[in-house]
Amino acid sequence: AQSVTQLGSHVSVSEGALVLLRCNYSSSVPPYLFWYVQYPNQGLQLLLKYTSAATLVKGINGFEAEFKKSETSFHLTKPSAHMSDAAEYFCAVSDRNNFNKFYFGSGTKLNVKP
Amino acid sequence: DTEVTQTPKHLVMGMTNKKSLKCEQHMGHRAMYWYKQKAKKPPELMFVYSYEKLSINESVPSRFSPECPNSSLLNLHLHALQPEDSALYLCASSQDIAGGQDTQYFGPGTRLTVL
Repeated sequence: AQSVTQLGSHVSVSEGALVLLRCNYSSSVPPYLFWYVQYPNQGLQLLLKYTSAATLVKGINGFEAEFKKSETSFHLTKPSAHMSDAAEYFCAVSDRNNFNKFYFGSGTKLNVKP
Repeated sequence: DTEVTQTPKHLVMGMTNKKSLKCEQHMGHRAMYWYKQKAKKPPELMFVYSYEKLSINESVPSRFSPECPNSSLLNLHLHALQPEDSALYLCASSQDIAGGQDTQYFGPGTRLTVL
């Protein structure tokens, strides 16, 4: 069975500070992992994904994530937060044995203070 | 082009109305999905179509009826909805369903309000 846990439903950082959003997964097989961002009243936009190539994955808007098998983690980071990064972030794991079904975490709302 | 379009953007309907949501993609994707998202919650999967055939129905009430007329179009027919069905309905598509590594591309959603 696949599942994802996002620690911290709300994260608040100052503009220019490091962003760290946590995601831990549970999977019976090597996972495929995704980070999406959602702005208010919009759909989900892919930030990056891990598909077992490089463990450090770079995405759009300066975000990156590192897959750590020993910690079953896939945390999302950005060195310097921008006001435009304020949004909801979802981590997801896909079930390769069940029609590419995604299991989403509960989401983390990022607030960026000026 | 990685665009999924959804119409209408907003929909208000009464409990006795019949309405439809429409989703379209022109990326040649063979898998399409409907999700329901309540406020401050992650998307919940409703249906998955693969090669125009229904592959997953997540025990969705029959007042929601999906339809996939062709590989580019996905509809969601609504009838006799309840106020608790008010939510953001998201459509997504992916290249395929095999393997699990395909990105799902999401549309902007339809904001549904049931009175």
